[in-house]
Amino acid sequence: EAGVTQFPSHSVIEKGQTVTLRCDPISGHDNLYWYRRVMGKEIKFLLHFVKESKQDESGMPNNRFLAERTGGTYSTLKVQPAELEDSGVYFCASSSGVFSTEAFFGQGTRLTVV
Amino acid sequence: AQSVSQHNHHVILSEAASLELGCNYSYGGTVNLFWYVQYPGQHLQLLLKYFSGDPLVKGIKGFEAEFIKSKFSFNLRKPSVQWSDTAEYFCAVLSGGYQKVTFGTGTKLQVIP
Repeated sequence: EAGVTQFPSHSVIEKGQTVTLRCDPISGHDNLYWYRRVMGKEIKFLLHFVKESKQDESGMPNNRFLAERTGGTYSTLKVQPAELEDSGVYFCASSSGVFSTEAFFGQGTRLTVV
Repeated sequence: AQSVSQHNHHVILSEAASLELGCNYSYGGTVNLFWYVQYPGQHLQLLLKYFSGDPLVKGIKGFEAEFIKSKFSFNLRKPSVQWSDTAEYFCAVLSGGYQKVTFGTGTKLQVIP
């Protein structure tokens, strides 16, 4: 069974540019989560999808971040325009039920804004 | 808001040494607790979790953790570490009926052969 897959693994962009991160969850997992880790700090929750609906987006930093999950399958996280403080590792996780069953994480996308 | 503290940011041990990584959380109600591990170049993996019942939880690869409610703690232990345990370890808490998990800042463990 394929795990959670994230693309790209690394991205280096200039301040002001747009970047789109993609997450392919495990097939059949309705719950999809985005997290972010800024260097040296804790992993912070960004948002949670249940199928195609945003269940909780309270962790989204600001309106430069837009997450979508068309058709309840893969999800994208777009940052537009990117700022220096957006640099970090963006993790995606999916689970079949609530998080407390088990969530499986992708390898993350390391985003560097220069 | 829930917060999670991992007091050790970087731990260096020799092989066969015993390990204990501290984790404290702030929320006083019902919690679900997790330890995740990230090996170099790999994704986050669940080591163990506590929901209810026996406060001593056993996980994969010989790890265990003890939930002490009175101390708001969920420390991770392993009696004898191996070089392959070199990784970053994250404590995490799910609380308040919400599905977002609060993570600690992580502890980097380096095991020297």
